[in-house]
Amino acid sequence: DAGVIQSPRHEVTEMGQEVTLRCKPISGHDYLFWYRQTMMRGLELLIYFNNNVPIDDSGMPEDRFSAKMPNASFSTLKIQPSEPRDSAVYFCASSFAGQTALEQYFGPGTRLTVT
Amino acid sequence: GQQVMQIPQYQHVQEGEDFTTYCNSSTTLSNIQWYKQRPGGHPVFLIQLVKSGEVKKQKRLTFQFGEAKKNSSLHITATQTTDVGTYFCAFARGGTSYGKLTFGQGTILTVHP
Repeated sequence: DAGVIQSPRHEVTEMGQEVTLRCKPISGHDYLFWYRQTMMRGLELLIYFNNNVPIDDSGMPEDRFSAKMPNASFSTLKIQPSEPRDSAVYFCASSFAGQTALEQYFGPGTRLTVT
Repeated sequence: GQQVMQIPQYQHVQEGEDFTTYCNSSTTLSNIQWYKQRPGGHPVFLIQLVKSGEVKKQKRLTFQFGEAKKNSSLHITATQTTDVGTYFCAFARGGTSYGKLTFGQGTILTVHP
């Protein structure tokens, strides 16, 4: 069974450009999480969904960030306009509420560089 | 909000030495999870502890949850170069935040051959 799939794996863009990160969670999982990881701030939760509905977006840095989950098998994280301080690795993770442990399965991440 | 503190931030060991990382909370936790992230990789779930005083083992790794459920530890016996990476503890919230994990800052382990 495929794990969490993220695309692109690497993205280099110029300041001011729009960036869209994509995620396909594990089939059957009902939770989806977007994280950002930097050396300075560690692993930060940006937003998470349950059954495609955003539950908590308190970690979204500012209005430049938005996330959607139009269906159970796809989610996007958009940054518009991008800034150099957005450079980080963005992880998508999914989990299933029916598990004994609420472990999260992480995708390989998208390494974003904004110049 | 509820947070966990991990120590040490960095640990350098010689291959064959033991390693321990600690996760501490000021409040009682309902559970604790541990993840490992290899350099350049993504976090991978290792284990979950839920019971007071619980101890679980995975080969050379021993996980403990404190009696008061405010601290946890991960101990690796006789480290190998394959143990290199960052070890995170995390706890899951309940109630309206069900499913959400809060991660510690992680302990970066380096193993010198």
